[in-house]
Amino acid sequence: GAGVSQSPSNKVTEKGKDVELRCDPISGHTALYWYRQSLGQGLEFLIYFQGNSAPDKSGLPSDRFSAERTGGSVSTLTIQRTQQEDSAVYLCASSLSRGSTDTQYFGPGTRLTVL
Amino acid sequence: AQSVTQPDIHITVSEGASLELRCNYSYGATPYLFWYVQSPGQGLQLLLKYFSGDTLVQGIKGFEAEFKRSQSSFNLRKPSVHWSDAAEYFCAVGAATNAGKSTFGDGTTLTVKP
Repeated sequence: GAGVSQSPSNKVTEKGKDVELRCDPISGHTALYWYRQSLGQGLEFLIYFQGNSAPDKSGLPSDRFSAERTGGSVSTLTIQRTQQEDSAVYLCASSLSRGSTDTQYFGPGTRLTVL
Repeated sequence: AQSVTQPDIHITVSEGASLELRCNYSYGATPYLFWYVQSPGQGLQLLLKYFSGDTLVQGIKGFEAEFKRSQSSFNLRKPSVHWSDAAEYFCAVGAATNAGKSTFGDGTTLTVKP
């Protein structure tokens, strides 16, 4: 079956512009996670959704970052007034439920470059 | 707070040689431990995970890892490396109370020499 998909795969934008990153989780997966991977770094947790609600937004770096999920499926991560330090690969993952033992399945990521 | 350290940024091994990638974690209670592999242009793929029970965990692609509580380690091993194993490897730690929110190490890049 289809895995987690993300779009676009690459995004180049100018400083100050807003961007939207999309994640399509595996069908039936109720939990969805966003991570950020900066060059040479591990993954940094941003936010997770259980259904359409986001119980944990603690990882969002600033109020320029927001995310939503609709219909318990597709999620959008929005970055407003982008800065150069926002350049990174943004990864989305989904799992069957929000249990800590559930395997997270990752998408290929969106590479964001802010000029 | 939980944390993960992968001491080796880059490791090079010859094809057919054995491999061990180190991972040390810090967490107050029993951790949930994971190893992921990220090949160029690919998303992360789970190799194996440990929650409880047998401390030697078998994963996919011939990998195994051993949980050593006394050393706070969860090292990844493979007896004979294949050229296709060249990738970046991430160790991660989670917990029962964190609802899947894992903390990742900075990764180890594996190069395989022919």
